[in-house]
Amino acid sequence: SAVISQKPSRDICQRGTSLTIQCQVDSQVTMMFWYRQQPGQSLTLIATANQGSEATYESGFVIDKFPISRPNLTFSTLTVSNMSPEDSSIYLCSVELPTDTQYFGPGTRLTVL
Amino acid sequence: DAKTTQPPSMDCAEGRAANLPCNHSTISGNEYVYWYRQIHSQGPQYIIHGLKNNETNEMASLIITEDRKSSTLILPHATLRDTAVYYCIVRVLGIYNQGGKLIFGQGTELSVKP
Repeated sequence: SAVISQKPSRDICQRGTSLTIQCQVDSQVTMMFWYRQQPGQSLTLIATANQGSEATYESGFVIDKFPISRPNLTFSTLTVSNMSPEDSSIYLCSVELPTDTQYFGPGTRLTVL
Repeated sequence: DAKTTQPPSMDCAEGRAANLPCNHSTISGNEYVYWYRQIHSQGPQYIIHGLKNNETNEMASLIITEDRKSSTLILPHATLRDTAVYYCIVRVLGIYNQGGKLIFGQGTELSVKP
């Protein structure tokens, strides 16, 4: 398994501002993923972040709104830009291990006022 | 869109086996069946996965039908802490940079009652 941490665990932000969420894993991994879970909904994949290449975004998500960095094999950040109340969600990162399993972080609960 | 169908909710008595069904009638030959669960306000937790053979680990058993069009996750002795949303996901493996996607459906909300 993998130990994954996210910072911050929760935040309350004003509309129009940006928040950067950090994801740290205790081992080197090639593939990391970012998901969003809106209130009462299931998880939706935002993007795949591989070290050394540009992130690959899913339909409906764009780099200008959700820029992602992947500077090394244990760390990634997701920025939620120019936030609106509709961005209030739980944001989760996950990592893919060589055992063909994905493990998830605890999530960042974002509230936008 | 998710390629699986699950009942939206189920109840189970504490100490009894919880049997969670999943329909994946359009599954391809190279797609695996994965199960995750999400306890309220936590990140999803990996449970088990399989291709065509039945699988068992310390958490659960996965029974896949011979035609692979459906499967059942079995929690042999459910406890109150097993109350969660359970997600059944089909996923391709082995394709670099493409095999990682997990597409979550709505899952089954399992309530374990005393």
